[in-house]
Amino acid sequence: DIQMTQSPSSLSASVGDRITITCRASQSVSNYLNWYQQKPGKAPNLLIYAASSLQSGVPSRFSGSGSGTDFTLTISSLQSEDFATYYCQQSHSISYTFGQGTKLEIK
Amino acid sequence: EVQLVESGGGLVQPGGSLILSCAASGFTFSTYWMHWVRQAPGRGLVWVSRINSDGSTTTYADSVKGRFTISRDNAKNTLYLQMNSLRAEDTAVYYCVRVLRGSGSYPFDYWGQGTLVTVSS
Repeated sequence: DIQMTQSPSSLSASVGDRITITCRASQSVSNYLNWYQQKPGKAPNLLIYAASSLQSGVPSRFSGSGSGTDFTLTISSLQSEDFATYYCQQSHSISYTFGQGTKLEIK
Repeated sequence: EVQLVESGGGLVQPGGSLILSCAASGFTFSTYWMHWVRQAPGRGLVWVSRINSDGSTTTYADSVKGRFTISRDNAKNTLYLQMNSLRAEDTAVYYCVRVLRGSGSYPFDYWGQGTLVTVSS
């Protein structure tokens, strides 16, 4: 199975900061990489698909990049509603593996 | 408006069975692949199973293969997950999810609210 590793596991930041979360796959997933945001007690919400495509309705401060094994999610200017847990997911292989999550907290 | 509403979760003893349902509305259910994803309390997301649009093709995670069965009734716009031989490690919130078509990377674009399954004696 393809393993997905996110870093950091947690991150403290302030409103207005620019932050980057990385996701590394144990083998190439091409651009079959998606990013989700999850708030406590809620279902995940799709942010980015195919590594860099912004899902409809998602603010443009979210962006994704990468291909192969290394990917990044960037939030250009943090808003209060962005404090949540973020997951990457590969959809290249049938295991549809998720990363372990990155918890973004308010500093 | 797309809606996915899961039901059927609850407390079950180890070795027991449970059937989860997911009622879909707001889209042409019969044309979409559907999946189940679970999340143990305080843990991350884990893919469980998928089914193609007409129900002829199913796939399972190794951890549930032989114990869980995914199915669908397109006439009723409903997705199911039959869970047998349940174990404590199956305790989780189970989400029904839809795959975004035409995306190239098959992301999960709509999620239900989840239904909690607790396996405990």
